[in-house]
Amino acid sequence: GAGVSQSPRYKVAKRGQDVALRCDPISGHVSLFWYQQALGQGPEFLTYFQNEAQLDKSGLPSDRFFAERPEGSVSTLKIQRTQQEDSAVYLCASSLYGGTNEKLFFGSGTQLSVL
Amino acid sequence: GDSVTQMEGPVTLSEEAFLTINCTYTATGYPSLFWYVQYPGEGLQLLLKATKADDKGSNKGFEATYRKETTSFHLEKGSVQVSDSAVYFCALSDRGGATNKLIFGTGTLLAVQP
Repeated sequence: GAGVSQSPRYKVAKRGQDVALRCDPISGHVSLFWYQQALGQGPEFLTYFQNEAQLDKSGLPSDRFFAERPEGSVSTLKIQRTQQEDSAVYLCASSLYGGTNEKLFFGSGTQLSVL
Repeated sequence: GDSVTQMEGPVTLSEEAFLTINCTYTATGYPSLFWYVQYPGEGLQLLLKATKADDKGSNKGFEATYRKETTSFHLEKGSVQVSDSAVYFCALSDRGGATNKLIFGTGTLLAVQP
């Protein structure tokens, strides 16, 4: 497709379950970002990849959160032992190179609900 | 750290009314400033941007001017349409390090009534 694709669109997990969220960026885009958007809030940065290298993971809230992009294209955000406070929309965004003024293309997000 | 503050919504206007959504920022250095828009059921889209002081970003009838002296980047449109109903996010780029990540405000819901 032409845009950033995220799956699943919705995910319901029981507290303590592990979840994996997938992001397919636009083909050829070097930079990939993950953001977390709580209800009524703006997106908050989680982590950043340039190709397969994870250059910044300073926004990951705990060691239960893990992200990878092994071949420099598709990325997976994994959350282990989910907690209720993990409930949010997880957004993926990509850009062609990653410069400061570069346009980011966002996916529609995965809405995670932890019960 | 760097931050963005924008006016709380919802903002409810009648069609053809004038729109202002206020945004102020706190940053070390000289960030680039952005407005992103999220239409119902869609992902965030870049609406406009400005990269240095006194720059004006514009798109689809929307405008915002980078005001360094007031640390502001207010969004304006002279005549809104029903199709402009969406959530609007002000953001700045963090130029530190290799990330260039965006820092967003909390968003402002705009509802335009016919």
